[in-house]
This record gives sequence, C-alpha cells and structure tokens, in this order.
Amino acid sequence: DIQMTQSPSSLSASVGDRVTITCRASQSISSYLNWYQQKPGKAPKLLIYAASSLQSGVPSRFSGSGSGTDFTLTISSLQPEDFATYYCQQSYSTPGYGFGQGTKLEIK
Amino acid sequence: EVQLVESGGGLVQPGGSLRLSCAASGFTVSSNYMSWVRQAPGKGLEWVSVIYSGGSTYYADSVKGRFTISRHNSKNTLYLQMNSLRAEDTAVYYCARVYPRRYFDLWGRGTLVTVSS
Repeated sequence: DIQMTQSPSSLSASVGDRVTITCRASQSISSYLNWYQQKPGKAPKLLIYAASSLQSGVPSRFSGSGSGTDFTLTISSLQPEDFATYYCQQSYSTPGYGFGQGTKLEIK
Repeated sequence: EVQLVESGGGLVQPGGSLRLSCAASGFTVSSNYMSWVRQAPGKGLEWVSVIYSGGSTYYADSVKGRFTISRHNSKNTLYLQMNSLRAEDTAVYYCARVYPRRYFDLWGRGTLVTVSS
C-alpha cells in the first residue's frame, strides 16, 4: 500500500500569511494527488485534484504543485475561513484511495 | 440539485449489524464510481470501500469480509451493509462520488455509527 505522510501535523498562522503544507508519498504516484479541506462537523471539500488543478468554485489563493512523491498545497494569503484541517489523498494506486493524516491549520 | 444524503447510522452493540444508505439526486449512482469514507472521532479520513460503475467492489483491509457495498439503481441509492461491528468501527461515515474515477468531488454530510455496549 502507498503511504501518504503530511507535514506539519499542525500549523499556526495569521490572516494574510502565506502557508505551505507538504504531502509525501511512499512511492511515485505521478500527479494523482488530491487535496481536501475539512471544517469541524462538516464533510470534506475538494480543493485541488491531479496535483495542481483547482476545483471549480475554489478561490485562486489555493494552489497545488508537485509530482512523483512530493507535493505541496499553498495558500497565498490566509483568510479567516481557511482555518481548517487539510488532507492529501492519492488516487494512483486504486481501488485504494489513501489519505494523509491531516494538517490542522490554526489561528496564531 | 446535485447532492448525497446519508442515513441509517445509530448505536449498535459489538457484533451487531447496521445498513447505511446514501440517496443521490441530480446524477446517476450507477454511472459513477461511488465510495464510503469514515472518520473516527477526532481522527483523520479513512477510505472504506468503492463500487465501480461496472459493479466491481473493493474494500479496505480493515473491513474486508465484514462490510458490503452495493447500490439500488432504480432508487439511485448506495448502501453499506456492516456486519460483525467492532468498537473501532465507530465513526462518521460519508458517502462520496468518485469523479472521474480519481477524486471525490461530491460528499454527503455523513452519518454517525457508534458501536458500544
């Protein structure tokens, strides 16, 4: 099974900061990497698919990059509504769709 | 409106069974890959199962042999039959559409399953 490891596990930042979250796969997954945002008590929401494609309706301050084993999610200028937990997910080795352990983004 | 609505969660004793339902509207379940994902209290997301449009089914090792994913085409509904439930199956269960076979673009609100005596 492909293991997905996110770093950091938690992060404190301020409104307006630029934030980067990293996801590493245990083997190459090409560009089959997706990012989700989850707020407390809510379902996850797709932000980025195929490593760098922005899902419709998602603000352009979110961006993704990477290929192979190393990927990043960047928020260019944090907004109050961005404080949430973020998960990466691989869709290379299907039918398993493994998630990273999550990164909790908190207000500093 | 395109949406998924789960139901069927609740409190069940260890060793018991429960069937979750996920009613879809605005699209056809049988034409898509559909999946279940769960989240234990305070924990991360765990993929549970997927059913392909052709009918093939797959499971995480943690539920293989105990859970069964299925769909009812005329009701446009996805199901998850859960047997031999354990305390570690306690979680919010989400259904999701897998589009186009690679990412989960539509999620339900989830239904809570609690396994406890």
